[in-house]
Amino acid sequence: DGGITQSPKYLFRKEGQNVTLSCEQNLNHDAMYWYRQDPGQGLRLIYYSQIVNDFQKGDIAEGYSVSREKKESFPLTVTSAQKNPTAFYLCASSSPSWPTYEQYFGPGTRLTVT
Amino acid sequence: EDKVVQSPLSLVVHEGDTVTLNCSYEVTNFRSLLWYKQEKKAPTFLFMLTSSGIEKKSGRLSSILDKKELFSILNITATQTGDSAVYLCAPWVASGGSNYKLTFGKGTLLTVNP
Repeated sequence: DGGITQSPKYLFRKEGQNVTLSCEQNLNHDAMYWYRQDPGQGLRLIYYSQIVNDFQKGDIAEGYSVSREKKESFPLTVTSAQKNPTAFYLCASSSPSWPTYEQYFGPGTRLTVT
Repeated sequence: EDKVVQSPLSLVVHEGDTVTLNCSYEVTNFRSLLWYKQEKKAPTFLFMLTSSGIEKKSGRLSSILDKKELFSILNITATQTGDSAVYLCAPWVASGGSNYKLTFGKGTLLTVNP
């Protein structure tokens, strides 16, 4: 089955620790995206990548880092510099060809930092 | 700065009612607009709208885009309790080179009471 896998579903960390969220897709999509969602808010873009070894900052990149070493994988690291890391994190992918199509989402990781 | 405004932010109706959800956008390099439904997990795709004035329909849901006035509406007729969710709209924008990204509104929380 094609799709996007995010693990784990729930993640708990202590303040001051870096944490890496996993995102893997087998849809053969070139583009991958990371979003953050807070209660009552829409999705805010953290980072995105159209091709391997290249990525762009989204609207709220501060305190986060990413890598794109393989087409299938786009891990997100939430660093200790991120002031309010507790949130629901969604990974997505899409084919970048025009006309652009829907963006497919993974199931999300709910991160709680105390 | 790209801006997407959805209204109303929340709406409570009774089963059987018809609702209209609004999405206005001010973005550069607009390509198309997507609607998603989110029920406490990852968003699920509803529609992609590329051309003005052409209604897309799926069962009781329909949507239309006005590229001149920069807005889209999502209609749900004969609402059911299963329609209760957050509805998100997001235009695809070209963000430089061959990069594309979605800019999400905050969403409309629809509650359908029996």
